[in-house]
Amino acid sequence: DSGVTQTPKHLITATGQRVTLRCSPRSGDLSVYWYQQSLDQGLQFLIQYYNGEERAKGNILERFSAQQFPDLHSELNLSSLELGDSALYFCASSVKGSTDTQYFGPGTRLTVL
Amino acid sequence: GQQLNQSPQSMFIQEGEDVSMNCTSSSIFNTWLWYKQDPGEGPVLLIALYKAGELTSNGRLTAQFGITRKDSFLNISASIPSDVGIYFCAGNNNNDMRFGAGTRLTVKP
Repeated sequence: DSGVTQTPKHLITATGQRVTLRCSPRSGDLSVYWYQQSLDQGLQFLIQYYNGEERAKGNILERFSAQQFPDLHSELNLSSLELGDSALYFCASSVKGSTDTQYFGPGTRLTVL
Repeated sequence: GQQLNQSPQSMFIQEGEDVSMNCTSSSIFNTWLWYKQDPGEGPVLLIALYKAGELTSNGRLTAQFGITRKDSFLNISASIPSDVGIYFCAGNNNNDMRFGAGTRLTVKP
């Protein structure tokens, strides 16, 4: 158990819909990272937040957004969903950022029908 | 973004055999990490390397941070059935984290 929690574990929805994925980092970690893992793309970094502020952006679509709240939990919002958005979405956390080791949550499996 | 070159893609080995996999990059990294992922689960950190040339062990696992900072390898000695899974390398450089495509390991009892 990495100490990072994610909910829900599974999510099934339809194209065009909007969903919110939730992540709670390890106790004491200030940075949260979001990743997408699909069969053909591997693990792709989406976005990082540090202590409530956006720190780094990766391959995140404009239809996706995230935020980190004062209690340090984070939410990833995915809107206007497409079939190709079906994937595993992982959250990871680290103490601060930069070269700190990231610990991953169990993931949310999103299926868009 | 550019991913790391991880090889081999897959390995089929007999229980008890040693395993070696590696990752290379055209860019240097400040940190190299190795993760193991079981189906439907999140990657679990195995070993983290922070200095060029560093050799670190975790039980039967040994990993090295290449001297050029552009590569790393992971060795598993005396493999057992529970070593089955996908192993990912990752390079981290000031919040720029890149992953290899993974090495799928199958261990036959």
